Amino acid sequence: GNSVTQMEGPVTLSEEAFLTINCTYTATGYPSLFWYVQYPGEGLQLLLKATKADDKGSNKGFEATYRKETTSFHLEKGSVQVSDSAVYFCALLSGGSNYKLTFGKGTLLTVNP
Amino acid sequence: DGGITQSPKYLFRKEGQNVTLSCEQNLNHDAMYWYRQDPGQGLRLIYYSQIVNDFQKGDIAEGYSVSREKKESFPLTVTSAQKNPTAFYLCASSTGQGRHEKLFFGSGTQLSVL
Repeated sequence: GNSVTQMEGPVTLSEEAFLTINCTYTATGYPSLFWYVQYPGEGLQLLLKATKADDKGSNKGFEATYRKETTSFHLEKGSVQVSDSAVYFCALLSGGSNYKLTFGKGTLLTVNP
Repeated sequence: DGGITQSPKYLFRKEGQNVTLSCEQNLNHDAMYWYRQDPGQGLRLIYYSQIVNDFQKGDIAEGYSVSREKKESFPLTVTSAQKNPTAFYLCASSTGQGRHEKLFFGSGTQLSVL
């Protein structure tokens, strides 16, 4: 079956530090990959996505590259801000008889000024 | 503005009681989903519906029921059979077009047991 493994948090960084949140996956076929972000007390919002191997998704300074050879989709940002504090979820969507997202467990990021 | 509305934001359930969580969307999306979020466990799919009058069980459907009588609405009932209902519940929708689409989420309902 499909699964997503994220690095365990929490992750605590100082403002302007470099961020990496690791994500690896197991899936049948060729999944689409996503990063969602959840700010405190809110639902999830799509941050970025990639739909095929070597695609790079990017948004708000965040980037992730779909690496089929390592089955990974690591999230990176060069300089984090306090406003980036949130929970980040890696997810995959695989075809078949039903289209439903499989989520990782989430990684809590706290950025201190 | 188009979006997904979940209500109430906070809900309390007494022992043996059924409670219903509301989810309404005005995005004209075909597919709707219910997820349960527990600390440290990510999101788990309870039920989903890809079209009106049809729905399928997700990974943790036991103790829950849904209906999809209208395209805009996908209410979730947490029954008394659900022994550990305390969680944050998220409703989502999508166009239902397939593997490249994104989900739009509501802001969630926090359910607690009295």
